[in-house]
Amino acid sequence: QKEVEQDPGPLSVPEGAIVSLNCTYSNSAFQYFMWYRQYSRKGPELLMYTYSSGNKEDGRFTAQVDKSSKYISLFIRDSQPSDSATYLCAMIGNTGNQFYFGTGTSLTVIP
Amino acid sequence: NAGVTQTPKFQVLKTGQSMTLQCAQDMNHEYMSWYRQDPGMGLRLIHYSVGAGITDQGEVPNGYNVSRSTTEDFPLRLLSAAPSQTSVYFCASRSLGSRGYGYTFGSGTRLTVV
Repeated sequence: QKEVEQDPGPLSVPEGAIVSLNCTYSNSAFQYFMWYRQYSRKGPELLMYTYSSGNKEDGRFTAQVDKSSKYISLFIRDSQPSDSATYLCAMIGNTGNQFYFGTGTSLTVIP
Repeated sequence: NAGVTQTPKFQVLKTGQSMTLQCAQDMNHEYMSWYRQDPGMGLRLIHYSVGAGITDQGEVPNGYNVSRSTTEDFPLRLLSAAPSQTSVYFCASRSLGSRGYGYTFGSGTRLTVV
């Protein structure tokens, strides 16, 4: 079983829709949870970062962490065509240096 | 700041050839790493380093070598290229103290082995 599972999609939504992206994980030691956005033919860029459980909001983006269920989510409100990208979740514990990445979900927002 | 710089951006190799992918960062990050990204496989860690003179293997190290002689540079060497090494390679760096943020990726090297 992989440490981090992410539905690869692809996901296609109309402009203005609410998008929900999710990852599950198996290692209860993970404490830091990240979402990266990767545009086509570019490197991943950090979008959101959350420590431990709870919600974090940044503009149209909300990251949620439910450690009891080992489940994290990224919500995008009022989605825009510029949100079309691959979204990767990532996580790491308090010790060790290795990040664990999901395989990424491809999102297309149709104008 | 340039961040993480990777060269070349594109490369085509013949089977059996060797080459070095370059990675440089100007953020004084201790931790540097190499990933390969393949469709459906996500990012897989090849090698990483926690400082000059210290390197270690990741998930898929076979066929690759690294060295870290300076804080800034972390080259990845393909010893004898194989078609299975056709992939997009990313270098990334971060400060060891920044566990959840500050992990900066380069723009990638697209490698095709024929």
